Amino acid sequence: QAQLQQSGPGLVKPSQTLSLTCTVSGASITSGDHQWTWLRQPPGKGLEWIGHITNSGSTFYKPSPNSRPRISIDTSENQFSLTLTYVTAADTALYYCARGRWSGELSFDSWGQGTLVTVSS
Amino acid sequence: EIVLTQSPATLSLSPGERATLSCRASQSVSNYVVWYQQKPGQAPRLLIYDTSKRATGIPARFSGSGSGTDFTLTISRLEPEDFAVYYCQQRTSWPVFGQGTKLEI
Repeated sequence: QAQLQQSGPGLVKPSQTLSLTCTVSGASITSGDHQWTWLRQPPGKGLEWIGHITNSGSTFYKPSPNSRPRISIDTSENQFSLTLTYVTAADTALYYCARGRWSGELSFDSWGQGTLVTVSS
Repeated sequence: EIVLTQSPATLSLSPGERATLSCRASQSVSNYVVWYQQKPGQAPRLLIYDTSKRATGIPARFSGSGSGTDFTLTISRLEPEDFAVYYCQQRTSWPVFGQGTKLEI
């Protein structure tokens, strides 16, 4: 099973850019048909899928009126990243990276440890 | 967008008892659902995929069933470590999660 280790700042100022990285170990990010995924969980709330990237670089994001996330992949470092621009207080959440896999339904079998990101001046 | 409604919101039981958690979809889009367990301060953990298949390392006391719009997670005999929040998940155009059921002592 893959291990996912997240890194990135826990405090971001409003209107600035949130950047998080997820480093994968125990598995190659280029092998298999996986969806390298970012999710988030606002304080006291449930899980929200943000988007994913495949090992070929294809991305898919949850539609949003102010679509701002960007997910990128660095196969040489075996990692993938999330960038979220123009953050507001509504983006305050616990952010997770995860590995998605398909069977009958898409499921997330490996997760990062989570990064609490607070948007505040 | 599909809406997954989990019930009850909170379930109070004791170790050794049987737990039955429900997940109802607003429309039938898949015969499959996924279940996760989340403990305080931890990331979610995959329990059940494809409605009834246990993920690697998940004890046999966890089982899943259902089809169409109604799905169930059953824990046959609760152990102290099972008290947590449980989420169901399905996907239409993108993955969607239920709001969670808190299983408490």
